[in-house]
Parts: sequence; structure tokens; C-alpha cells
Amino acid sequence: EAGVTQSPTHLIKTRGQQATLRCSPISGHTSVYWYQQALGLGLQFLLWYDEGEERNRGNFPPRFSGRQFPNYSSELNVNALELEDSALYLCASSPGDRNTEAFFGQGTRLTVV
Amino acid sequence: ILNVEQSPQSLHVQEGDSTNFTCSFPSSNFYALHWYRWETAKSPEALFVMTLNGDEKKKGRISATLNTKEGYSYLYIKGSQPEDSATYLCAPQGGAGSYQLTFGKGTKLSVIP
Repeated sequence: EAGVTQSPTHLIKTRGQQATLRCSPISGHTSVYWYQQALGLGLQFLLWYDEGEERNRGNFPPRFSGRQFPNYSSELNVNALELEDSALYLCASSPGDRNTEAFFGQGTRLTVV
Repeated sequence: ILNVEQSPQSLHVQEGDSTNFTCSFPSSNFYALHWYRWETAKSPEALFVMTLNGDEKKKGRISATLNTKEGYSYLYIKGSQPEDSATYLCAPQGGAGSYQLTFGKGTKLSVIP
């Protein structure tokens, strides 16, 4: 069974551009979570989608947004990129039950120059 | 927003040594505690999910305990092996509607052969 897949693996953008990151969850999982790991920081929660709806978001500006599609895959969009947006972005999926483990993808490394 | 502290930040042990790390989190509004192992260039991998005060979980040489009243969890590794080298993350889950995990910065373990 395929795990969580993310694309692209690496992405280089210039300041002010937009970036789109994609995530395909494990089959049967309805919840998708997005996390950011910037240099020197821990994993910071960005967004949680479940059943196509945004359920919660972390302490990030509105230029971080996303959506979840009917097949439960998800996109993370970052508008007006800033240098400090350079980070590893991880996606995780879970069945949607509260105390079940989340499975992570290998991440997208975004570099803003 | 949960304040999660992990200690030590990093440690080096000799192969065969046993070791343990600590995760501290707010005891109020607690729902579950997750432990993950994150090896370099790989995805974070779930180790344990614990919900009840006094819970103990074991997987091979790795075990964990949970104290929800005082807000801490210990992770133990018995007879460390080089393949145990990784960053160990804890993530409490808490609050109404908060399915997302709040990660600590992790403990980076290096096992010296």
C-alpha cells in the first residue's frame, strides 16, 4: 500500500512568487495535516483538512492557504513568498479518528531566493 | 497553543547503553501523547500513541510512559544500537476540536558504535 506522497520533492522560487505543494494521503485517510519545519525550529502546525473542509489552522498569515479535494488529496499554497518561508513542508494523513497515529510524507523542501 | 518541552536537546551514547528522554506538556486539556522517530532523510515514523495516565507502551527495545497529571512522558531505549540514531519527537494532542499534533523540538540521539 502506498504511503503519503508529496510533490515536488524540491522547489525553488523567488521572493514574491507563489508556491503550490501537493500531498496524496494514504488510501482511506480523510484527514490531511500540513506542517512547516524552518531552520532551527520544530515542526509547526499549519493547516488541518478533513472531509474537504479546513478544520483548523496554526499561527500563520493568510497567504498560507490550501484545500482538500474530493479524493482527499490536498494542496498547500503560499502566496507572496518571503525568504523566511524557506523550509521543509511535511504533509501527514490519518483516518480522521482523534487518537490514531498520523503518517507523514517525505516532505517538500521549499527554497525562496 | 501547547508549550512542549523536550530534554535533552541532544545526546550521544555508546552502543549498548540504555538511555531515556523527557517530554513535558501542559497537563490541562490533554487528550493524547504521540511519540515519533525521525531519521535523517526519512519521514517521521510513529512509535506510540498514549492516552491514559499511567500508560506504558513497548515496541522492541523502546518503551514509553505517560503521566497526565503532572504533564510528562518518558521514552526509554534499552541497549542502544546505531540504527536508533534519530530525532525523537513528542507531540501532545489536546483541546476541543484539536486533532492536530503540537510537536516539541525533539531529542537528537546519536549512538556511537
